[in-house]
Amino acid sequence: GQNIDQPTEMTATEGAIVQINCTYQTSGFNGLFWYQQHAGEAPTFLSYNVLDGLEEKGRFSSFLSRSKGYSYLLLKELQMKDSASYLCAVTDSNYQLIWGAGTKLIIKP
Amino acid sequence: EAGVAQSPRYKIIEKRQSVAFWCNPISGHATLYWYQQILGQGPKLLIQFQNNGVVDDSQLPKDRFSAERLKGVDSTLKIQPAKLEDSAVYLCASSPRPVVEVVGDTQYFGPGTRLTVL
Repeated sequence: GQNIDQPTEMTATEGAIVQINCTYQTSGFNGLFWYQQHAGEAPTFLSYNVLDGLEEKGRFSSFLSRSKGYSYLLLKELQMKDSASYLCAVTDSNYQLIWGAGTKLIIKP
Repeated sequence: EAGVAQSPRYKIIEKRQSVAFWCNPISGHATLYWYQQILGQGPKLLIQFQNNGVVDDSQLPKDRFSAERLKGVDSTLKIQPAKLEDSAVYLCASSPRPVVEVVGDTQYFGPGTRLTVL
């Protein structure tokens, strides 16, 4: 079966750095997405990785290791507005997007 | 550009009643998705359209759920009759390309419809 694992919840302090991990087991791989979802709102696109390595975009970076079936999202200089759920999703060999359950990130002052 | 539009935003019905949701994707987007998201879970794909044809409806409970995409633009999702476990947020998303390519075809989500079945 296809499976994506993320921690259910994480807590971090404003101004700090947090890393949200995602491991996946899917039938094929055609890219990995990270989406941000604030409570009561729709998911919004953060990043996309298809090759191994680190993609940096401002305060957010995403890393991928295809051989390990592993990705992480790194958030720097945390702000209160970063409190949200972060969803990891993998495109499988049929180009279907398989979603994780999401990691709820709580930022404390 | 205008985003994905959905209506209604909220709906409360009693079990065994019927309900319909509407979605207008971003203009020119070929692919449209309907997701069900239960609180605390990731989105679950219900059905995927490419233009007005169904690409994947393997997780759509076809005994009670139906969906159509008229003329390859707007789409409606219907539940008849509703059950308590259908309480969820129903998200519509669209993406530009007909087939997701290696480059990565981002999905753009609408605000969702929050359904409560009593």
